[in-house]
Amino acid sequence: GQSLEQPSEVTAVEGAIVQINCTYQTSGFYGLSWYQQHDGGAPTFLSYNALDGLEETGRFSSFLSRSDSYGYLLLQELQMKDSASYFCAVRDRGSARQLTFGSGTQLTVLP
Amino acid sequence: KAGVTQTPRYLIKTRGQQVTLSCSPISGHRSVSWYQQTPGQGLQFLFEYFSETQRNKGNFPGRFSGRQFSNSRSEMNVSTLELGDSALYLCASSGELTGELFFGEGSRLTVL
Repeated sequence: GQSLEQPSEVTAVEGAIVQINCTYQTSGFYGLSWYQQHDGGAPTFLSYNALDGLEETGRFSSFLSRSDSYGYLLLQELQMKDSASYFCAVRDRGSARQLTFGSGTQLTVLP
Repeated sequence: KAGVTQTPRYLIKTRGQQVTLSCSPISGHRSVSWYQQTPGQGLQFLFEYFSETQRNKGNFPGRFSGRQFSNSRSEMNVSTLELGDSALYLCASSGELTGELFFGEGSRLTVL
C-alpha cells in the first residue's frame, strides 16, 4: 500500500528556517506536492516536484530525491502567518488529481 | 477569478439520513475531485470527475457517490449516514495542463 511519513509537529521562531521532511512508500510515483492549510481554511498548493532536485518559490523551497523516496519543504524567514499545517502528497498513479496525502505537520511560529 | 465554491459550509445530519454536497469549480476547469478530511485518517481521495465522467474512485463504500454536470459543477452524495462520516469534505478543481489542485473551503458534515 501507499504511506507517507512526516513529523506531526514542528515549532520555530520568527525569522528562522525550518525543514519539514516527508518519506514515502508507494507502488507508483509521478511526483511529490506540498500543500498548506490554515485552521478552518482550504488547502493551498505550494509546490510540486516530479524530478530530483530543488524547486524554489520565494521563501519556500521543495526538494525531492526519488532514489531515497524522500522530499522536504524548506521555509525561510519564517513569519507568524506561516503557522499552519503542511501536507506532502504523492501522485502515485496516472491521474494528477488522485493524491495520497501525508498526515500533515503542524508548524507553530513563535514571536 | 472566483475560487472553488462549496455549499453548504456546515450541516448537521442524523444517522441513516443522506446528504448532498455541491461544488462549483473555478471557471474553465473541467476536472473536479473530492476529498474527505478527518483528524484520524487525514485527507483521503474520494473520486475525480472530468467532463461529466468519473475517472477514478477512492476506497470508499458505495454509499459515497457523485456526479458532474455539463457546466462542470459537481455534487457528491452520502447515503445512510454513519457517525464515522463526520468530516470536512473538500472539493478541488484543476486545469487540464497542471496537476495543481485548487481546493474549496469545504463542507463540514456532522453526523449525530
